[in-house]
Amino acid sequence: DSGVTQTPKHLITATGQRVTLRCSPRSGDLSVYWYQQSLDQGLQFLIQYYNGEERAKGNILERFSAQQFPDLHSELNLSSLELGDSALYFCASSADTSRQETQYFGPGTRLLVL
Amino acid sequence: QKEVEQDPGPLSVPEGAIVSLNCTYSNSAFQYFMWYRQYSRKGPELLMYTYSSGNKEDGRFTAQVDKSSKYISLFIRDSQPSDSATYLCAMIPGAGETYKYIFGTGTRLKVLA
Repeated sequence: DSGVTQTPKHLITATGQRVTLRCSPRSGDLSVYWYQQSLDQGLQFLIQYYNGEERAKGNILERFSAQQFPDLHSELNLSSLELGDSALYFCASSADTSRQETQYFGPGTRLLVL
Repeated sequence: QKEVEQDPGPLSVPEGAIVSLNCTYSNSAFQYFMWYRQYSRKGPELLMYTYSSGNKEDGRFTAQVDKSSKYISLFIRDSQPSDSATYLCAMIPGAGETYKYIFGTGTRLKVLA
């Protein structure tokens, strides 16, 4: 158990809908990262938050947004969903100090868009 | 060309075999190298973490980094069926740049009993 929790585990929805994925980082970790994993693309970095502020953006679509709350949990919002958004979405956290770059991954949310 | 290349496999080996998993990369700025193991329908978990060139051993696992060749390897000795998983390499340029994790696409390993 990595200490990172994600809800829900599974999500089935229809095209055009909006969903919210939730992540709670490990105790003490200030950084949260979101990744998308699909069969053909591997793990793709979406966005990072550090202590409530956006720190870095990767290949995140404009239809997607995220935020990190004062209690450090994070939410990833996916809107106007398309079939191609079906994937595993992982959250990871790290202490993000100069000596601790290790990211710890949650169990993921499996999203299926029909 | 992808920054990190990894043979997707699948790689099937008999129990007890020595397994070699590899990644090549193109960015010479990478300094930190990691191997993650991902079981089916689970999140990746960190196996090995190395800095710069050299070897690091942890039980049955050995990570090797050759920066001059831009090549990293993970060796698994005495492989077990429980090692069957997808192995992802990952790398970042330097301390404090954790958002720059670049992952390989993963190699699927199957250890046959």
